[in-house]
Amino acid sequence: ETGVTQSPTHLIKTRGQQVTLRCSSQSGHNTVSWYQQALGQGPQFIFQYYREEENGRGNFPPRFSGLQFPNYSSELNVNALELDDSALYLCASSPGLAGLAYEQYFGPGTRLTVT
Amino acid sequence: QQQVKQSPQSLIVQKGGISIINCAYENTAFDYFPWYQQFPGKGPALLIAIRPDVSEKKEGRFTISFNKSAKQFSLHIMDSQPGDSATYFCAARWELSSGTYKYIFGTGTRLKVLA
Repeated sequence: ETGVTQSPTHLIKTRGQQVTLRCSSQSGHNTVSWYQQALGQGPQFIFQYYREEENGRGNFPPRFSGLQFPNYSSELNVNALELDDSALYLCASSPGLAGLAYEQYFGPGTRLTVT
Repeated sequence: QQQVKQSPQSLIVQKGGISIINCAYENTAFDYFPWYQQFPGKGPALLIAIRPDVSEKKEGRFTISFNKSAKQFSLHIMDSQPGDSATYFCAARWELSSGTYKYIFGTGTRLKVLA
């Protein structure tokens, strides 16, 4: 059984550009959540996908969007990048909705730097 | 009201000592309180978790103490080892208006255990 994987590991983009980050959930997991972790801070919830549909969203603008595919892998897209978007982006998968008391498992993250 | 306040920001403990990290919350709707351990370059990993109807939970050297009336919970690491040196995050689970859940994280405590 493989864990949660994310790609790329590191990424450098210029302000105004667009970026796509990818996440492969752990085998058997159908729920994926995305978090933004700024340096020295705790993770901040961006949104959650369950069976290919967005199932909850945090306080992030619409330029943060996502997708979940039939194999439950997921993408995070950020448009019109701003300097403050520089952070570690974490993906977490779980075998069901968190409301069913399933724990979430984090990937290693993608470090995004916006210059 | 969705915040989880964590202290201290950093902690230095001698090998064999007890590490104590505290968290406080306001929202009584939180229903699950996990602690995560994060090493540099890695995603957070679940360490131990507790529900608000339990006052204490112990797993090996790690213990959560939960005070529901004071809205506080803490992590105790007994016999701290250099390998415990990491950043620790408390978190609280909260139901979104959509009926799904998200996790609110504290700001983290950087623990260093001296050999």
